[in-house]
Amino acid sequence: NAGVTQTPKFRVLKTGQSMTLLCAQDMNHEYMYWYRQDPGMGLRLIHYSVGEGTTAKGEVPDGYNVSRLKKQNFLLGLESAAPSQTSVYFCASSYSPGQGSFAYGYTFGSGTRLTVV
Amino acid sequence: AQKVTQAQTEISVVEKEDVTLDCVYETRDTTYYLFWYKQPPSGELVFLIRRNSFDEQNEISGRYSWNFQKSTSSFNFTITASQVVDSAVYFCALSEGAGGTSYGKLTFGQGTILTVHP
Repeated sequence: NAGVTQTPKFRVLKTGQSMTLLCAQDMNHEYMYWYRQDPGMGLRLIHYSVGEGTTAKGEVPDGYNVSRLKKQNFLLGLESAAPSQTSVYFCASSYSPGQGSFAYGYTFGSGTRLTVV
Repeated sequence: AQKVTQAQTEISVVEKEDVTLDCVYETRDTTYYLFWYKQPPSGELVFLIRRNSFDEQNEISGRYSWNFQKSTSSFNFTITASQVVDSAVYFCALSEGAGGTSYGKLTFGQGTILTVHP
């Protein structure tokens, strides 16, 4: 049981380049999330999804796009990378026994360290 | 809006000392969950505890204990007889709202860097 898998684990981009981070979960979870971690700021929510085909903005969505075409995958895209997007990115998934209620089984991926130069 | 504050940026202790990590939260909801995560130098997030707002009982798990006080909106974490392996960044987090648009979104504190010296 792999849980939540993030690829790649490391990446260096030049300013202006684009890339996609992939998050895959094998737990049949409805909810998926992308967070970024910066020193002294904890983790902040970028975007999230409450089901296949749905996405929503989190606290810091600017400069990112997401897609959830399949329930098990949640993609985070950077169309034109900027140095301010240098960060560690975490994907997570969870499920809920009832619509909109608390999430259970919260599981994080191992993170992607992205450097934009 | 919800907020989590971990006022201690860094803590340094010597092995076998007890250490308490503070966490203060703000929320308008009466129903919410509080979490603690550990992030060792390897970088992954390790789940430590989840506590709902209706359960104010303190919890102990080995050398770890948690003190939840709704009256002061605090959820503090104590490590007894600290060890070098406890060196990590510790995050407190809040998930609020039963129903509506919560969807399990977490609000994290800034994190506390704990260094345990031999």
